[in-house]
Amino acid sequence: EAGVTQSPTHLIKTRGQQATLRCSPISGHTSVYWYQQALGLGLQFLLWYDEGEERNRGNFPPRFSGRQFPNYSSELNVNALELEDSALYLCASSLDLGVRNNSPLHFGNGTRLTVT
Amino acid sequence: GESVGLHLPTLSVQEGDNSIINCAYSNSASDYFIWYKQESGKGPQFIIDIRSNMDKRQGQRVTVLLNKTVKHLSLQIAATQPGDSAVYFCAEGGTGKLIFGQGTTLQVKP
Repeated sequence: EAGVTQSPTHLIKTRGQQATLRCSPISGHTSVYWYQQALGLGLQFLLWYDEGEERNRGNFPPRFSGRQFPNYSSELNVNALELEDSALYLCASSLDLGVRNNSPLHFGNGTRLTVT
Repeated sequence: GESVGLHLPTLSVQEGDNSIINCAYSNSASDYFIWYKQESGKGPQFIIDIRSNMDKRQGQRVTVLLNKTVKHLSLQIAATQPGDSAVYFCAEGGTGKLIFGQGTTLQVKP
């Protein structure tokens, strides 16, 4: 069974541009989570989607947005990129509303976003 | 604010010894806890989880202990191997999201 897949693996953008990151969850998983991991730091929660709806959002500005498609895949969009947005963006999927129902998150290997 | 903290940034152990990685959490309402392992260049890998109605849970070579009284979580790895070298994160849940600690780097000496 395929795990969580993310694309692209690396992305280089210029300050002010927009970035789009994509995630395909494990088959059968309906919840998708996005996390930001800056170099050498822990994971910061960004967004949680389940059944196409945004369920929760972390302390990030509105220029971080996303969506979940009917096939449960997801996109993370970052507008007006800033240098400090450079980080590893991790997507995770889970069953049945995930953490709320004590189901663990399973992570992909991330997209490394570099803003110059 | 919400936070999960780890007691030590780096833990160095001899191959074959047991490892204990500790974690403190701040939200007494949290009812679900997970340990993850992250190797360089990869995403976090699920190790083991525990619900707040349990004190201990065992997996293959790993044991998680939960002390709700002092809001403390630990991960014990038996017979530590070189392949266990990684960053270990504890995560706390219960409100629909996981809150991660900063991570402990486990170094295994041959």
